[in-house]
Amino acid sequence: GENVEQHPSTLSVQEGDSAVIKCTYSDSASNYFPWYKQELGKGPQLIIDIRSNVGEKKDQRIAVTLNKTAKHFSLHITETQPEDSAVYFCAANLRDDKIIFGKGTRLHILP
Amino acid sequence: DAGVIQSPRHEVTEMGQEVTLRCKPISGHNSLFWYRQTMMRGLELLIYFNNNVPIDDSGMPEDRFSAKMPNASFSTLKIQPSEPRDSAVYFCASSLTPGSVEQYFGPGTRLTVT
Repeated sequence: GENVEQHPSTLSVQEGDSAVIKCTYSDSASNYFPWYKQELGKGPQLIIDIRSNVGEKKDQRIAVTLNKTAKHFSLHITETQPEDSAVYFCAANLRDDKIIFGKGTRLHILP
Repeated sequence: DAGVIQSPRHEVTEMGQEVTLRCKPISGHNSLFWYRQTMMRGLELLIYFNNNVPIDDSGMPEDRFSAKMPNASFSTLKIQPSEPRDSAVYFCASSLTPGSVEQYFGPGTRLTVT
């Protein structure tokens, strides 16, 4: 079936450095790619999304890039801060209106 | 706005018992989703409703699981009988439409079946 692969599963970066999380998807019809952040004990929360008609989108320290040809999309967090520590999920929509999630990346920001 | 409301937040029950999880979506949202989250399988969609009608229940693992949405402001997910492998965090989410728009997640119900 259709799936979304996410790497790495765990990522540790020094505070102030950048973090990059990468995803690939299989459904060529996917055209919506959201990223969610999940803090301990809470539900996932949308932090940024990108649609297939653009290749890059930025919101302050967060940016997403999309390569539709390669079916790759990535999340970039610059100038990381302690509050960025969380689990991040990429996702992609399927042609039947469902959204499928990656397995998540646990991001640790080291002091 | 109170966001998506789920109850209970934690549920501990014995194998064989019936479990009912509840969800109140954001007012005005037409789509409601039930997800299950485990370490092994990640975040899985169980079922989703549009305008109170179940659209896709292909993610429901077994006949022991059932979901209802009697009106636009309330949904339940029932497990009967429960088994230890059902232990997980169950999330409810809602959105304006079922398509490519933001889903708002509730805080989840942590279910433990002993």
